[in-house]
Parts: sequence; C-alpha cells; structure tokens
Amino acid sequence: QVQLQESGPGLVKPSETLSLTCTVSGGSISGYYWSWIRQPPGKGLEWIGYIYYSGNTNYNPSLKSRVTISADTSKNQFSLKLSSVTAADTAVYYCARLLMTTVTPYFDYWGQGTLVTVSS
Amino acid sequence: QSVLTQPPSVSGAPGQRVTISCTGSSSNIGAGYDVHWYQHLPGTAPKLLIFGNSNRPSGVPDRFSGSKSGTSASLAITGLQAEDEADYYCQSYDRSLSDWVFGGGTKLTVL
Repeated sequence: QVQLQESGPGLVKPSETLSLTCTVSGGSISGYYWSWIRQPPGKGLEWIGYIYYSGNTNYNPSLKSRVTISADTSKNQFSLKLSSVTAADTAVYYCARLLMTTVTPYFDYWGQGTLVTVSS
Repeated sequence: QSVLTQPPSVSGAPGQRVTISCTGSSSNIGAGYDVHWYQHLPGTAPKLLIFGNSNRPSGVPDRFSGSKSGTSASLAITGLQAEDEADYYCQSYDRSLSDWVFGGGTKLTVL
C-alpha cells in the first residue's frame, strides 16, 4: 500500500518561500507522476502542479511563476516550493500520486495533508 | 468558486440512497473528460472512490456507484451507513484552463 506523508513548516512569513516535502513509502516514486494540491480554509481543492519522477514538470497556470516542484529518487521524495507567499496561500497542502494512464488522469493515493499558515 | 459545481450538503438516513451531483461545462465534463470521485474525512488522506466515471478501485464497496451524462456526473450511495459521513469531491480536467479541476465538495450527513 503506497503511503504519502507531507512535512514542512506550518508557519511561513509573507513574501517568503513555502517549502514542503512529500515522503513516499510502500512503493517507488520511479515510473510515476506526483502532484501537489491545496485547499484554502473554507474553499475547494486547487491543483498546484505535478512532476514525473525523471523531472518533467507541469504547473497550474495561475501559480506557474511562483511554483517549483522537484523530485529526489534516492530519498523517494518530492518537494514543493512556492515563492512570494501571501495570506491567500494559507491552505492545507496535499501531496498525491497522479495516474496518467487514462484519458483523464486522477489521483489514486493522497497524503493526509499539512496546514500551512502565512502570517507575520 | 470551483469550476465543477456540487451541492454543499446532502443527507440521508441509514439504509437510504443519496446522490451527489457534479455539474461542469463544455470545456471539461462536456468535452469528454472523465469524472472521478474522492471521499474525505477531515484530518485523513482523501480516498479515491470512483475513477473513470463509474469504476470502483479494489476495496470500495459496490454501494458506491458513479455515472456521467452530458456536462454532469453523479455519485450514488445506497444502503447509507454512519461511516459514509464525509466530504465528497468530484474531479475532472478542463481544456480551457489546462488544469485539473475539482468540485467544491459535498458534505454528506447520515441522520
């Protein structure tokens, strides 16, 4: 059973960079796509971006200028960096595996999420 | 405002049947993209419930079923159980936004 666990600071100051890591257990990140999704308080889910284990990435156009997703196959982890954060970036951040083998890809395994608050 | 529209809440008594709708547009569901459904209990990892409109992953009870027609999709839950009380989200892809899109979520209350 694949399991994902998010980790990183729960509080980030405005204008700084949010950094989160997702550790995958029960399976290898190799051969798959991995994604970040977030949910601001009281709002819906928003896809942030994905990375293929080899490094190819694709980001939500609305966040593209601020997002970097990277992967480390040796640690079986992938990471998110979101720069120049504001209060609007306060959200629960989820990592998930993205299955790209169908017409419409979907997320088959998720982490439990981590709350990141942007505040001074 | 979510791209896919879901009712904020639905409710039903144990044993009853409920349905949750997911309405999109011609740039997502109506464009032929599949709809997937997730069950989420707060504080836990969201769980894939239905993929490809109507397929259940291994381990998901057949009380859960999905369908799609036109620009909408539906999740049906029969034989409601207390453990079904959770938030449910639909998901598809939007070709205009070049973005994976979600519904706003529906809170299911088992009375």
